Amino acid sequence: GDSVTQMEGPVTLSEEAFLTINCTYTATGYPSLFWYVQYPGEGLQLLLKATKADDKGSNKGFEATYRKETTSFHLEKGSVQVSDSAVYFCALSDQGDDKIIFGKGTRLHILP
Amino acid sequence: EAGVTQFPSHSVIEKGQTVTLRCDPISGHDNLYWYRRVMGKEIKFLLHFVKESKQDESGMPNNRFLAERTGGTYSTLKVQPAELEDSGVYFCASSQVVGINEQFFGPGTRLTVL
Repeated sequence: GDSVTQMEGPVTLSEEAFLTINCTYTATGYPSLFWYVQYPGEGLQLLLKATKADDKGSNKGFEATYRKETTSFHLEKGSVQVSDSAVYFCALSDQGDDKIIFGKGTRLHILP
Repeated sequence: EAGVTQFPSHSVIEKGQTVTLRCDPISGHDNLYWYRRVMGKEIKFLLHFVKESKQDESGMPNNRFLAERTGGTYSTLKVQPAELEDSGVYFCASSQVVGINEQFFGPGTRLTVL
């Protein structure tokens, strides 16, 4: 079945460092890909999405590119802030299917 | 506009007891979803309502779980009797239109079964 694999955490970085969180997926069809973020004490929020190959999703300085050839959707940010500390979930939703399939989540700590 | 709300935020019960979780979706959202995250594992889909009808309940783990959405507004998820492995965070989400339309998530209910 469909699945999402993302790098284990926690990831600890200093402020202004470059961030990459790796995500790869397995899907039978042509899924839409998402990154969700959960800040402390809050619900999941959609951070960005991409619906077809080579699409780039971006929001709040974060970017991820839908790479069909490598089945990847890595999350990147050029300069992280303390306020980016959160748990990040890579996810997919297959065509014609409404449920979202999540990875295990990566906890990110940014040190001032 | 209020977001998705869930109640309670945290519940601690003993094995064998019953617990009912509640989700209030965003007003006007016909689609309501339940997900669960067991510690250290992925967030997993449980079921999907369209208005008051169950569209997909393929993720429900067993018959100890009962979800309802009477009147197509709020939803409840009852666990009876609760087992240790039911501990985790239960998320609810809602969306306006089926498809790639964004699902808006609530803060979750943390269930601890002792």
